[in-house]
Amino acid sequence: NAGVTQTPKFQVLKTGQSMTLQCAQDMNHEYMSWYRQDPGMGLRLIHYSVGAGITDQGEVPNGYNVSRSTTEDFPLRLLSAAPSQTSVYFCASSYFRPSLTNTGELFFGEGSRLTVL
Amino acid sequence: EDKVVQSPLSLVVHEGDTVTLNCSYEVTNFRSLLWYKQEKKAPTFLFMLTSSGIEKKSGRLSSILDKKELSSILNITATQTGDSAIYLCAGSGGGADGLTFGKGTHLIIQP
Repeated sequence: NAGVTQTPKFQVLKTGQSMTLQCAQDMNHEYMSWYRQDPGMGLRLIHYSVGAGITDQGEVPNGYNVSRSTTEDFPLRLLSAAPSQTSVYFCASSYFRPSLTNTGELFFGEGSRLTVL
Repeated sequence: EDKVVQSPLSLVVHEGDTVTLNCSYEVTNFRSLLWYKQEKKAPTFLFMLTSSGIEKKSGRLSSILDKKELSSILNITATQTGDSAIYLCAGSGGGADGLTFGKGTHLIIQP
């Protein structure tokens, strides 16, 4: 009964380092996405994928890369970490893309708290 | 640019009170309005609203959508300390294929 699993839960980086946040879901969801949550800003969409091999940019994609080689996994890569990327990152998935259905409910992972010094 | 605005941003009430949280939206190709509750970790789904005027209810929580006014409200009656959380409103549709979230309402229920 895992749902959406994110690792690591906490990470501290130095400016300029790179790292990958992992996200895996076991619900056979076609749609997966990454959000960042900052105080006073709500959740903002970084990147999303509507199926294996397909990715697209969200509202705040700069400084991040994603790939979707399998249905289950959707890693988020920080190429050269900056203090502005200090945030809590959430991976979320659903059966279908929100824009095409009236079943826009997303299932969220528990979040990854990233601090960039 | 798509936008979802929630009010108030924070609210402190006493146990037993009734609260109303507000959400207004400007989302292109709007499809649905969703409410989530966020305690310490992941947001958890409460309601999805697609039709105007039809109330959705779950226990002490209820919500309704007004497409003419581009708004929604979330009501919580007989509040309990366990209702303390951040309540997030989000619209689906929009340019990017995801949800546009508001900043949330931080609700604190005092015993």
